[in-house]
Amino acid sequence: EDQVTQSPEALRLQEGESSSLNCSYTVSGLRGLFWYRQDPGKGPEFLFTLYSAGEEKEKERLKATLTKKESFLHITAPKPEDSATYLCAVQAASFQKLVFGTGTRLLVSP
Amino acid sequence: NAGVTQTPKFQVLKTGQSMTLQCAQDMNHNSMYWYRQDPGMGLRLIYYSASEGTTDKGEVPNGYNVSRLNKREFSLRLESAAPSQTSVYFCASSRLTGSITTYNEQFFGPGTRLTVL
Repeated sequence: EDQVTQSPEALRLQEGESSSLNCSYTVSGLRGLFWYRQDPGKGPEFLFTLYSAGEEKEKERLKATLTKKESFLHITAPKPEDSATYLCAVQAASFQKLVFGTGTRLLVSP
Repeated sequence: NAGVTQTPKFQVLKTGQSMTLQCAQDMNHNSMYWYRQDPGMGLRLIYYSASEGTTDKGEVPNGYNVSRLNKREFSLRLESAAPSQTSVYFCASSRLTGSITTYNEQFFGPGTRLTVL
């Protein structure tokens, strides 16, 4: 069964304090791994797709990386506006539905 | 370009009442999805429609029905609401065509917050 586990569940950072969020997955053939940002009371907002091990994608202070078993979302010098829940999802090669993790709640204090 | 829109934003029902959640997308996407999100459970797929005229069950379909009205619209119906259906419901769409080479990047609506008393 395809599974996605995100850690930590919650993370509190000071503004400017860099850190990483983890997404571990087991899937029968990975077609794509997706990162989303979700603000309170809103729908998930698409951030990145990673297709193969070794791939990296960047957007402002966020950088996503992918290995054969996990993905990291690195946040460099975060700002309070980066506070949100970050969701990870995987798409199997043979099964096109997405399987989501439960997310990491990030709080960045000024 | 509004993306994915959902109505209503909030709804309170009594046990046994019925209602329909509406979803529309203007991105000319082929596939549409209904999810529910509960604390600690993540997003769980209720039903999806890979193309106009087709619908399939997801992970948690019991107590729900769907209609893919046309390429733009996908509705979710609760025939007899139960307290266990209290949740936040999200509609999503993607350009997924059914080809195994297509990547399923999904785009979400703002959600409907449903409480069943």
